[in-house]
Amino acid sequence: DIVMTQSPDSLAVSLGERATINCKSSQSVLYSSNNKNYLAWYQQKPGQPPNLLIYWASTRESGVPDRFSGSGSETDFTLTISSLQAEDVAVYYCQQYYSTPRTFGQGTKLEIK
Amino acid sequence: EVQLVESGGGLVQPGGSLRLSCEASGFTFSSYWMHWVRQAPGKGLVWVSRIKSDGSSTNYADSVKGRFTISRDNAKNTLYLQMSSLRAEDTAIYYCARPTLYHEILTGSYSDVWFDTWGQGTLVTVSS
Repeated sequence: DIVMTQSPDSLAVSLGERATINCKSSQSVLYSSNNKNYLAWYQQKPGQPPNLLIYWASTRESGVPDRFSGSGSETDFTLTISSLQAEDVAVYYCQQYYSTPRTFGQGTKLEIK
Repeated sequence: EVQLVESGGGLVQPGGSLRLSCEASGFTFSSYWMHWVRQAPGKGLVWVSRIKSDGSSTNYADSVKGRFTISRDNAKNTLYLQMSSLRAEDTAIYYCARPTLYHEILTGSYSDVWFDTWGQGTLVTVSS
């Protein structure tokens, strides 16, 4: 199974500042035949199901604000929120869809400082 | 509007059984792989199981293999999760999730990739 490890577990950032969340996979999730990283990011607010933010490691889902961006390749990935807004308080998860079982990171709780 | 609505959760004793349902609408249910993902109270997301569009292939997490059975009725646009021999550690919100279908050019097949739609979840509590 591919193990996904996020860091940090929690993060407090001031409004308007940058937030960075890291995700590391135990093996590469880059599919060589199409050169795509099989990695997604989700946002989950309290009492709600997860919401897709990013797929293919860096492609923003339709409707997601452009302050959210994803980067990285193979085993190391980053979710960046360029200017934190109050509505971004949530738990963020990375997930690989390279292989089954699908696996998620443990989550990073993002709060306002 | 694409929608998934779970039902069937509740309180069950250890060793008991429960069947969850997920009713889909707003898309061609029979074309999609479907998944179950769970989340224990205050914990992270854990993938549970998936089933191919025609029901011909299934996969399970090791933690539920042999105890849970995923199935679907495409005529009713409904996904199921039959859970038996339930344990306290199965206590969680259970979400059904629809993945996007991605056309793999080299193989010509469709893969289930990221989860673009989630239900609101149904809570299963295993306790005496």
